[in-house]
Amino acid sequence: GAGVSQSPRYKVAKRGQDVALRCDPISGHVSLFWYQQALGQGPEFLTYFQNEAQLDKSGLPSDRFFAERPEGSVSTLKIQRTQQEDSAVYLCASQGGSYEQYFGPGTRLTVT
Amino acid sequence: GDSVTQMEGPVTLSEEAFLTINCTYTATGYPSLFWYVQYPGEGLQLLLKATKADDKGSNKGFEATYRKETTSFHLEKGSVQVSDSAVYFCALSEQGGKLIFGQGTELSVKP
Repeated sequence: GAGVSQSPRYKVAKRGQDVALRCDPISGHVSLFWYQQALGQGPEFLTYFQNEAQLDKSGLPSDRFFAERPEGSVSTLKIQRTQQEDSAVYLCASQGGSYEQYFGPGTRLTVT
Repeated sequence: GDSVTQMEGPVTLSEEAFLTINCTYTATGYPSLFWYVQYPGEGLQLLLKATKADDKGSNKGFEATYRKETTSFHLEKGSVQVSDSAVYFCALSEQGGKLIFGQGTELSVKP
């Protein structure tokens, strides 16, 4: 595709529900990043993949957060037992050879 | 650890005014520096970048120079337009890894 796509664009979850957020990166991009952006703040790093390997997950805030990229293309960020503090915009970015990261539109998660 | 600090907003300017948004950074190595822009209702877009000291990044009339001696990467534009109203984020990356962002500066340009 022409750019990074994410789905769903908006998600409302009740506290305690599990959610799955999908990212389709730019075709051929090896690296994929997930970020969390709280309202009025800059994005914060969550995790990073190179192909299917998760090389850095130091930014995941708790063990309720899990990410995968099994075939080195599409990635899914899963949040188990959602809490109100998980409400944020979740951004995915893919990176090609120039080290420039291209961002998707984000998924706005609201936990009620 | 690495960090980025931006001037707080919101910044309100009249059309054709000169814009400066200050950005300073702390890094252990030699990072690449970026400015990203987020227009209302849209995703983050790369505006410009610089990969080494004294490099100047430029795009759409915006400029920023990588100043290692002052650890700064201030964003400037000589004459802003209403369409430049957006949130601007300064960011750094070490060796092409994760981006570390500042908190963002909201710019509002009035006709």
